[in-house]
Amino acid sequence: GAGVSQSPRYKVAKRGQDVALRCDPISGHVSLFWYQQALGQGPEFLTYFQNEAQLDKSGLPSDRFFAERPEGSVSTLKIQRTQQEDSAVYLCASSLFGLAGGTGELFFGEGSRLTVL
Amino acid sequence: GENVEQHPSTLSVQEGDSAVIKCTYSDSASNYFPWYKQELGKRPQLIIDIRSNVGEKKDQRIAVTLNKTAKHFSLHITETQPEDSAVYFCAASISGANSKLTFGKGITLSVRP
Repeated sequence: GAGVSQSPRYKVAKRGQDVALRCDPISGHVSLFWYQQALGQGPEFLTYFQNEAQLDKSGLPSDRFFAERPEGSVSTLKIQRTQQEDSAVYLCASSLFGLAGGTGELFFGEGSRLTVL
Repeated sequence: GENVEQHPSTLSVQEGDSAVIKCTYSDSASNYFPWYKQELGKRPQLIIDIRSNVGEKKDQRIAVTLNKTAKHFSLHITETQPEDSAVYFCAASISGANSKLTFGKGITLSVRP
């Protein structure tokens, strides 16, 4: 597709369930980011991939959060044993270049809205 | 780490008036400052950005100014239109658009017809 695609768009989980959120970045984009956006707040950085390498995971709030991008394209954010405080919109974004690359624009997906009951 | 603050949190203007949104940042190493517009339930979209080697950038009705000494940057929208109503986020990074962004909390701009 032409843009960053995320699925599911909406997910309701019971506390304690595991969830998996998928991101299809723009084809050929080297960099991929996950951000968490709580209601009424700005996006907060979770993790960064350059191709298949996870170069920064400093924003992941706990070891219940895990992200992967095994082939350097599609990425999955997994949250284990979900808690109510995990309720948020999870945004994926991609850009054409890597850290050492040229100037570029960050393109966001529509997000996956997670509600934990 | 970087801290980006945005104020005010809401702004209401009359259609046709100008709107100014200000942000401050804490890390003097930051060198890239984008502004994103987010409509309700939609993705954030880049509207303009500025790098630390310039002080001002303009694109039609939108302009951004950067004061590196004071560590603040501002978004200026002239001749506002109802479709400008949205949440606007400022952000900063230390290594351009390809590194992690620290966002402000956002400002809700309402343009009254």
